[in-house]
Amino acid sequence: DGGITQSPKYLFRKEGQNVTLSCEQNLNHDAMYWYRQDPGQGLRLIYYSQIVNDFQKGDIAEGYSVSREKKESFPLTVTSAQKNPTAFYLCASSTRDLSNQPQHFGDGTRLSIL
Amino acid sequence: AQSVAQPEDQVNVAEGNPLTVKCTYSVSGNPYLFWYVQYPNRGLQFLLKYITGDNLVKGSYGFEAEFNKSQTSFHLKKPSALVSDSALYFCAVRDRDTDKLIFGTGTRLQVFP
Repeated sequence: DGGITQSPKYLFRKEGQNVTLSCEQNLNHDAMYWYRQDPGQGLRLIYYSQIVNDFQKGDIAEGYSVSREKKESFPLTVTSAQKNPTAFYLCASSTRDLSNQPQHFGDGTRLSIL
Repeated sequence: AQSVAQPEDQVNVAEGNPLTVKCTYSVSGNPYLFWYVQYPNRGLQFLLKYITGDNLVKGSYGFEAEFNKSQTSFHLKKPSALVSDSALYFCAVRDRDTDKLIFGTGTRLQVFP
């Protein structure tokens, strides 16, 4: 059954701590995305990757980092530099020709501060 | 810059009545438009898209959307609402320069029995 798996579903961060959110897809998609969702603000793009070993900053990349060593995986690290990390984080993937194919989303990770 | 606007934070409708969730866009050139739905604590699910062709697009779960170029709108519609349609709905447009999706702020649909 093809899809996107995000883990964990809930995550708590202590002050000064880095945490990593996992995103794995078995859809054979080239492109992967990380979004942050805050109430009333819709989805904002953090980072995206259109191919393995390459990624670009989105609109709110400060305080976050990513890697794309494998096609299936696009982990997001929320660093201690991100001062307001409490949010719902969504990972998505798509074929590179986005014009014809929609993005597929995982079920998200909710990050909170301890 | 490309953008979409969803002017209503919430839409309330009685079960069995038609529903409309509004979306307007601002893009250069022809737009690629999408609607997604989000249930509580879940990711977004794709409903439908407009790329080109017929202005009335049919999608999942009985939803459809009407593309109106002169009004730069892409409103989501359903002839008869169900309580189970209650969710958060997002309109999005593809930025042709970057391939990124730009999302509206979302509209919460509440269908009352």
